Amino acid sequence: GESVGLHLPTLSVQEGDNSIINCAYSNSASDYFIWYKQESGKGPQFIIDIRSNMDKRQGQRVTVLLNKTVKHLSLQIAATQPGDSAVYFCAEIRSNDYKLSFGAGTTVTVRA
Amino acid sequence: DAGITQSPRYKITETGRQVTLMCHQTWSHSYMFWYRQDLGHGLRLIYYSAAADITDKGEVPDGYVVSRSKTENFPLTLESATRSQTSVYFCASSEGGLRSGANVLTFGAGSRLTVL
Repeated sequence: GESVGLHLPTLSVQEGDNSIINCAYSNSASDYFIWYKQESGKGPQFIIDIRSNMDKRQGQRVTVLLNKTVKHLSLQIAATQPGDSAVYFCAEIRSNDYKLSFGAGTTVTVRA
Repeated sequence: DAGITQSPRYKITETGRQVTLMCHQTWSHSYMFWYRQDLGHGLRLIYYSAAADITDKGEVPDGYVVSRSKTENFPLTLESATRSQTSVYFCASSEGGLRSGANVLTFGAGSRLTVL
């Protein structure tokens, strides 16, 4: 089975609120994680990444948190906007592998 | 235009027919990848290539063939299409391998294939 998974398949959030998308992984050998955003009819787009020697990384309106103790990854989106409506995927690379493994995705819907 | 382009964007074919999905990138990226996306499975790696004339199997390679005679092109062929190969196919490229610093995958817009 997959070692990367998201806690919830869907998330509905009010415009202007903060969004938190969660992801759990089971392989302790994973040492690099990426969040992708996929809008309808498009390919996934890179949002932010984090290596296992970090526990937090910030980008523009996004923050990724990594908790290696419980093998949990989250993506926080500040002041969610309608353009943030999309499917969000977490992906991992394991230190003993060279392939990127994706979770099933969380669909985020922003309510006006 | 610069970037990564896939063609065709939409294709309907019949069981048993051969289908080739094309992928072209203009960055001279070394690495190229083919993924398929199905509901409930996320993206699964079919094949990847580290350079021209170097290809390797991913997670779900059965029923697919790839080639990479030129750095910029990475076609994916379904030699005898089956209904289970109905999916959305994404090509991606990266400057470096996934363990290097330049390891961000850039995806194409996808090719939606329906096998009847």
